Amino acid sequence: KAGVTQTPRYLIKTRGQQVTLSCSPISGHRSVSWYQQTPGQGLQFLFEYFSETQRNKGNFPGRFSGRQFSNSRSEMNVSTLELGDSALYLCASAGLTDTQYFGPGTRLTVL
Amino acid sequence: AQSVAQPEDQVNVAEGNPLTVKCTYSVSGNPYLFWYVQYPNRGLQFLLKYITGDNLVKGSYGFEAEFNKSQTSFHLKKPSALVSDSALYFCAVRDGLLGYQLIWGAGTKLIIKP
Repeated sequence: KAGVTQTPRYLIKTRGQQVTLSCSPISGHRSVSWYQQTPGQGLQFLFEYFSETQRNKGNFPGRFSGRQFSNSRSEMNVSTLELGDSALYLCASAGLTDTQYFGPGTRLTVL
Repeated sequence: AQSVAQPEDQVNVAEGNPLTVKCTYSVSGNPYLFWYVQYPNRGLQFLLKYITGDNLVKGSYGFEAEFNKSQTSFHLKKPSALVSDSALYFCAVRDGLLGYQLIWGAGTKLIIKP
């Protein structure tokens, strides 16, 4: 089975812009979660989608949003980018077991 | 509030020696516990998990972890370290009430010296 894929792998944006990141889960997985990883804050949960519905949301401002499509692919959007949004954004998918499998991440740099 | 602690920022071990990476947790209800490993510029790779059953869990690459309910710990172990085990290790807990949301420790950098 193919693993979780994320596109793009690297992004450079400037403050005030918006960005959309994409995640394709493992085939058959209906849960997709997003995490932000930074040196200062570590790994933080953004949100989880299951069957196109947001099931959980972390403590992030409304500038961070996401959605899931009927094929379980997910996108997350960050509007009005700030310098502090520079991070590795990780997507994870899960199926019937309790295990999340992660993609390689998207490295976002905000200048 | 649920939390995970990894008390050591870095662990140094000589190749061939046993290694232990520590993790303690605080969660209401029954914990679902996980270990992941991250290599530079890579995503997280699943190592092992404890859901229920035997307190000693065996995982990938020769790693195992021991669940201790009384000490609320879930330490990662390996009998004989390899240089290639050098990486960043994360402990995480999932509260069943929170869906698939994982709460993470800060990570422990493991350095295996030849």
